[in-house]
Amino acid sequence: DQQVKQNSPSLSVQEGRISILNCDYTNSMFDYFLWYKKYPAEGPTFLISISSIKDKNEDGRFTVFLNKSAKHLSLHIVPSQPGDSAVYFCAASGGNTPLVFGKGTRLSVIA
Amino acid sequence: KAGVTQTPRYLIKTRGQQVTLSCSPISGHRSVSWYQQTPGQGLQFLFEYFSETQRNKGNFPGRFSGRQFSNSRSEMNVSTLELGDSALYLCASSLLVTGATEAFFGQGTRLTVV
Repeated sequence: DQQVKQNSPSLSVQEGRISILNCDYTNSMFDYFLWYKKYPAEGPTFLISISSIKDKNEDGRFTVFLNKSAKHLSLHIVPSQPGDSAVYFCAASGGNTPLVFGKGTRLSVIA
Repeated sequence: KAGVTQTPRYLIKTRGQQVTLSCSPISGHRSVSWYQQTPGQGLQFLFEYFSETQRNKGNFPGRFSGRQFSNSRSEMNVSTLELGDSALYLCASSLLVTGATEAFFGQGTRLTVV
């Protein structure tokens, strides 16, 4: 049973436009959510996080939105740059449980 | 501040052998978690250690084991290797227990079983 789902395996976006990556979760105990970015042959790099007491968190070009009632979060990247091309993983945890990861979305930003 | 260091970066082993992977967390971090990444499967949680104690364990067979030392360095061991164990093994460290703060990953050890 997959508790964290990233239903889009891939996404292509033009440089300068907005990239929106989506993530759904099923476990209502999750209260902390993170996004990681991964390049080939490297470990995931932490991007941004949000706790369940918030519905939005911004860090530069990256914004994460959390909709608890829908059990849905999204990562917005504005503007998208070619260097943003990578695999993005959504992760969640609750009650000091280990991070549960989605399967990732491969983002391609086209110049 | 040095990041998470995993050694070796690449490893080729034969079926039936065993392997030990090492992870040195960020200085001051007491939690170390291990994940297995295979194509199309995302990151699968193996186990987590905090202050030398295993706190959580994922759904992997007993051939997968780990430990943490007093300096927070961690090792994981896989015995009787199978072809399906070929994967990228990632170690993550965090200041507190995983889930309370962000985890920082090493570059991983790419294990190939032939």
